[in-house]
Amino acid sequence: GQQLNQSPQSMFIQEGEDVSMNCTSSSIFNTWLWYKQDPGEGPVLLIALYKAGELTSNGRLTAQFGITRKDSFLNISASIPSDVGIYFCAGQLWETSGSRLTFGEGTQLTVNP
Amino acid sequence: DTEVTQTPKHLVMGMTNKKSLKCEQHMGHRAMYWYKQKAKKPPELMFVYSYEKLSINESVPSRFSPECPNSSLLNLHLHALQPEDSALYLCASSQDRVRGPGYTFGSGTRLTVV
Repeated sequence: GQQLNQSPQSMFIQEGEDVSMNCTSSSIFNTWLWYKQDPGEGPVLLIALYKAGELTSNGRLTAQFGITRKDSFLNISASIPSDVGIYFCAGQLWETSGSRLTFGEGTQLTVNP
Repeated sequence: DTEVTQTPKHLVMGMTNKKSLKCEQHMGHRAMYWYKQKAKKPPELMFVYSYEKLSINESVPSRFSPECPNSSLLNLHLHALQPEDSALYLCASSQDRVRGPGYTFGSGTRLTVV
């Protein structure tokens, strides 16, 4: 099956620093998504990318869909303590049987005040 | 309403019990999903319902039985589970095969099998 390689696995940063994480895949996806998950909660959608090469921002977050449709990165600028959590990339593939979402392994972000 | 609501939030059950997890959405989404998530791991797809019909079953054991009574509701019936089935069970919905805001996830049911 499809696999997404997400890196880094974890990051420890100081408040105010910028953060970058990325995902690569051997397969092409129709859509790339970035989610954040807090403990005991479901993943919350941060950014959705639909076109190859697309660069999208959401406040302090910026993400890009790679031109080959096989990779994506997420940047967080000027991190704050509430950015703590697990960030997942996810590739969405539309098939005749339905839509399938495949997740990366996640990046655990810790922000020190 | 832009939420996916899951009940119960927590569930403890014995290996001989029968229980059900419930999921509800009123966003008009026509695809609904069950995912299983172990601690510090990504969600893993279990089932996909598209237009109220089961379209994907990721080789899930028969002790997990999904049901989609209508376009807003999704159930997961549990019977004779094993301790290793303890996990966070997430429900999600999406606009199937239409450009939209990705999947919307519920907060999950934390299941413990004893």
